[in-house]
Amino acid sequence: QTVVTQEPSLTVSPGGTVTLTCASSTGAVTSGYYPNWFQQKPGQAPRALIYSTNNKHSWTPARFSGSLLGGKAALTLSGVQPEDEAEYYCLLYYGGAQRNWVFGGGTKLTVL
Amino acid sequence: EVQLEQSGAEVKKPGESLKISCKGSGYSFTSYWIGWVRQMPGKGLEWMGMIHPGDSDTRYSPSFQGQVTISADKSISTAYLQWSSLKASDTAMYYCMSCHHWGQGTLVTVSS
Repeated sequence: QTVVTQEPSLTVSPGGTVTLTCASSTGAVTSGYYPNWFQQKPGQAPRALIYSTNNKHSWTPARFSGSLLGGKAALTLSGVQPEDEAEYYCLLYYGGAQRNWVFGGGTKLTVL
Repeated sequence: EVQLEQSGAEVKKPGESLKISCKGSGYSFTSYWIGWVRQMPGKGLEWMGMIHPGDSDTRYSPSFQGQVTISADKSISTAYLQWSSLKASDTAMYYCMSCHHWGQGTLVTVSS
């Protein structure tokens, strides 16, 4: 069973920078996993932030960016705002025999 | 504007069947995969499977294979998620997602 691992929780100060990561049990994450990132606030549906590693949607704030870092997918928030406090999920695509997607366990980001 | 409109909340008894829906609008429904995502109370997102409405190609996550059925009716731009025999452990919020957008979620409660 493929497992995608994220930090369970992170804390950042307002105005600070934080990087969330997403690792695969199968090895290094590459662009071929088409990493996606989503934000979910309590009581709301998730919202897409980043697709295919580093592509932003029209509604994604400029302070969010995606990348590959040390064999993992990464989401960096620069100049964190209080409203960025939320749960963040990555989603990776597994081709080959699986041909399906797998979510990470999520990172609870606290802005304090 | 892309919209995914999901059917309303359901309360069912164990052993009953259920079919929930997700109607897409504002985009080419047959051009994008539609995924279904489970979120159990207080837990993270789980990828269940997806369907391509254009050719009905369907893929299931191993954890959900045989537990649910995903289908679509392209004539009415609607995807479905169904159970033949619900269990209490199926109690969760279910989301559809497509074209980088999410439905509002359908809460399914299974209780005797």
